[in-house]
Amino acid sequence: EDKVVQSPLSLVVHEGDTVTLNCSYEVTNFRSLLWYKQEKKAPTFLFMLTSSGIEKKSGRLSSILDKKELFSILNITATQTGDSAVYLCAADNYGQNFVFGPGTRLSVLP
Amino acid sequence: DADVTQTPRNRITKTGKRIMLECSQTKGHDRMYWYRQDPGLGLRLIYYSFDVKDINKGEISDGYSVSRQAQAKFSLSLESAIPNQTALYFCATSDLTTGHYEQYFGPGTRLTVT
Repeated sequence: EDKVVQSPLSLVVHEGDTVTLNCSYEVTNFRSLLWYKQEKKAPTFLFMLTSSGIEKKSGRLSSILDKKELFSILNITATQTGDSAVYLCAADNYGQNFVFGPGTRLSVLP
Repeated sequence: DADVTQTPRNRITKTGKRIMLECSQTKGHDRMYWYRQDPGLGLRLIYYSFDVKDINKGEISDGYSVSRQAQAKFSLSLESAIPNQTALYFCATSDLTTGHYEQYFGPGTRLTVT
């Protein structure tokens, strides 16, 4: 059975801290790993990773994939209160469907 | 205008009632999905459709049915709603032809079954 696990499930930090969110997956016919940010509404796309070891960056956010060990991390540096959200990762089962993890709820305190 | 729309945005219904949630998209994507989200469980796939004639069950299809009326429309029905179907429901689309596989989500429908 396809599965995606995220850790931690919940995290509270203060502004300026750096956080690392983890995502591991077991998916047949894996093609890509996607990260989404969900505030109070629909998830919004952050990154798509298809190749091992190639870091993707967007401002203070970065992510990398390890296809040998079947995991990905999402780093957020110099966190701000606006980073407070649920971060979801999803494994793309070669376009058949997307398997989502439970999400990590990040709270950034001022 | 939003690319993926859902109606209604909020709905309260009683146990045993039939209810339909509708999703429309203007992105021209072939693939459409219905998910439900429960606290602590992330998004779980109910049904997905790769085109008008191709509909597939997801992880939790029991108690639900779908209809793909056109490329742009994908409806989810609860034939006889029950309280444990209270959840936030999302429709999503994706398109493989561009090589970008991310999904685009609608704003969600909050359904409460009493």
